[in-house]
Parts: sequence; structure tokens; C-alpha cells
Amino acid sequence: ETGVTQSPTHLIKTRGQQVTLRCSSQSGHNTVSWYQQALGQGPQFIFQYYREEENGRGNFPPRFSGLQFPNYSSELNVNALELDDSALYLCASSSGLTSSYEQYFGPGTRLTVT
Amino acid sequence: ELKVEQNPLFLSMQEGKNYTIYCNYSTTSDRLYWYRQDPGKSLESLFVLLSNGAVKQEGRLMASLDTKARLSTLHITAAVHDLSATYFCAAKGGSEKLVFGKGMKLTVNP
Repeated sequence: ETGVTQSPTHLIKTRGQQVTLRCSSQSGHNTVSWYQQALGQGPQFIFQYYREEENGRGNFPPRFSGLQFPNYSSELNVNALELDDSALYLCASSSGLTSSYEQYFGPGTRLTVT
Repeated sequence: ELKVEQNPLFLSMQEGKNYTIYCNYSTTSDRLYWYRQDPGKSLESLFVLLSNGAVKQEGRLMASLDTKARLSTLHITAAVHDLSATYFCAAKGGSEKLVFGKGMKLTVNP
């Protein structure tokens, strides 16, 4: 059983650019959630995907968007990057809305916006 | 809106000592999580607490949940240096999202 993986591990972008982050969920998991963790803070929920549909969104602007693919991997896209978008982006996978309660986090992508 | 508060936010303690940290949440939630995070790393799952009165223990850590008081505690017994990390609690909100506290940075000194 493979764990949650994310790519890339580190990324440096310039303000105004666009970025795509990727997450492969743990084998057998059909739900992926994305979180943003600013330095020294707790993770903040961005959105969740369940069976390729968005299933809840946090207080993030529309320039944060996502996708989930048939194999349950997921992408987080951020347009028009701002300096405040610099953070660790974490994805978490779980096995569905009503079964296992564990949410397993990937290693994260550290995004720096200059 | 669900909010989660942890206290203290910073704790420096000596090896061998015991301590309890607290996690309060503002509205009803049926699930409470504890995670550990080492510097520059991701979140490691410690406990998932599902019901009132739930108690779980792993090594020197024991977590409990009081849903009536909307309170979870994480008790550290005979701390060792390897426990130094940041500890987060998170309550389940709507749509399976987790609402995290700010985290408690624990330093265990020899």
C-alpha cells in the first residue's frame, strides 16, 4: 500500500504567475482534501474532492481551483499568485465520506512566491 | 463557524515530567484528531477520537475527548527529547473538512 505523495516538493514562483500542485492519494482512497499552512500556523482547509466532484470549500478565492481525476489523484491550481500564497500546501487522502476516519497527509509542497 | 483553540501554544518542559495540553472547539463536532509535525515536515496522525469519553494511548501520549465540554486533552507522561515537535488538534467540520488549532510547540529539555 503506497502512501500519499505530492509533487513538486519545492517551488519558487513570481507574483502574478500560475502554479499547479499534484497529489496522489493513498491506494484505495477516493477523497482528497487540500490545506494551506502558512509559517507558524495551523493548516487551513482549501477544498475537498470526492469521486471527482468538489465536496466543500474553505474561505479561499476562486483563483484557487482544483481537479480530481478518475484514479483519484488531484491537482491544486493557483492563478495570479500573491506573496501571501507562500506556504506549505498539504493534501490529505481518506477512504470516503462514511467509512474510515483517518486522513493521511502527504509530505507537502513548499511554495515560495517572490 | 467551528473554531479550535489550543493552549498553551508554547511549552518548554524537562525530560521526565508530565504535562497536559488542551484543545477546545466552539461547536459540535463528532471527531477530534491529534497530529504531530516536525520542523519542515508533514503531519503525522497520532489519534482520532470518535465519541464522548474516548481515551486512546500510544507510548507516552494519551488523548481524551469530552464532547459535552467540547474539550480534548493530550497528556504527556515522562517526557523525552524525542517528543519535541508541534502538536495540532483538529475538529471535523462540515463536508469532512478538518479545522485546526494553531498548534502547540513542545520543547523537551534534557
